[in-house]
Amino acid sequence: KAGVTQTPRYLIKTRGQQVTLSCSPISGHRSVSWYQQTPGQGLQFLFEYFSETQRNKGNFPGRFSGRQFSNSRSEMNVSTLELGDSALYLCASRKLTSTNTGELFFGEGSRLTVL
Amino acid sequence: GDSVTQMEGPVTLSEEAFLTINCTYTATGYPSLFWYVQYPGEGLQLLLKATKADDKGSNKGFEATYRKETTSFHLEKGSVQVSDSAVYFCALSEETSGSRLTFGEGTQLTVNP
Repeated sequence: KAGVTQTPRYLIKTRGQQVTLSCSPISGHRSVSWYQQTPGQGLQFLFEYFSETQRNKGNFPGRFSGRQFSNSRSEMNVSTLELGDSALYLCASRKLTSTNTGELFFGEGSRLTVL
Repeated sequence: GDSVTQMEGPVTLSEEAFLTINCTYTATGYPSLFWYVQYPGEGLQLLLKATKADDKGSNKGFEATYRKETTSFHLEKGSVQVSDSAVYFCALSEETSGSRLTFGEGTQLTVNP
């Protein structure tokens, strides 16, 4: 069974540019969430999508956005990049049941460097 | 709001030593508690979980017990191996938070042969 796939794995951008990251969840998993991981702030929740709708959002500025497609694949976008956006962006998927809240399957991440 | 506090790291042990990584939490409701592990260059993997007070989660020789009275979920292993070297994250989720996890800072564990 294929795991969560994130692309690209590494990318370098300059301040002011925008970036789009992609995530393909495990087959059958309808929930996709995104996290930012940095040495200073640790792991922080960005947002969660299922059924193509954002269900939950963390405390990030509007420059961070996402969407989900009908096949459950998700993308996140960061516009007007800042140096502080340099981070590992992790995607996680979850099969929706009433008892598995928090049991997430993570991808390997997309490492973004902003110069 | 919710928060998770882990013991300060990094932790360095010799092979076959006993491991404890402390985790305490603050939550408004009745959270589920998790330990995730991140090996170098990889994403996070769920190690174990507990969903209610006094539950014990266990996996691969690791154990943690949900202690409501002390709001703790300490991770233990009786005999660590070199392959256990990784970063360990304690996390919680509230009943209505879906995939929104609150993570601790992470503890880097290095096991030397």
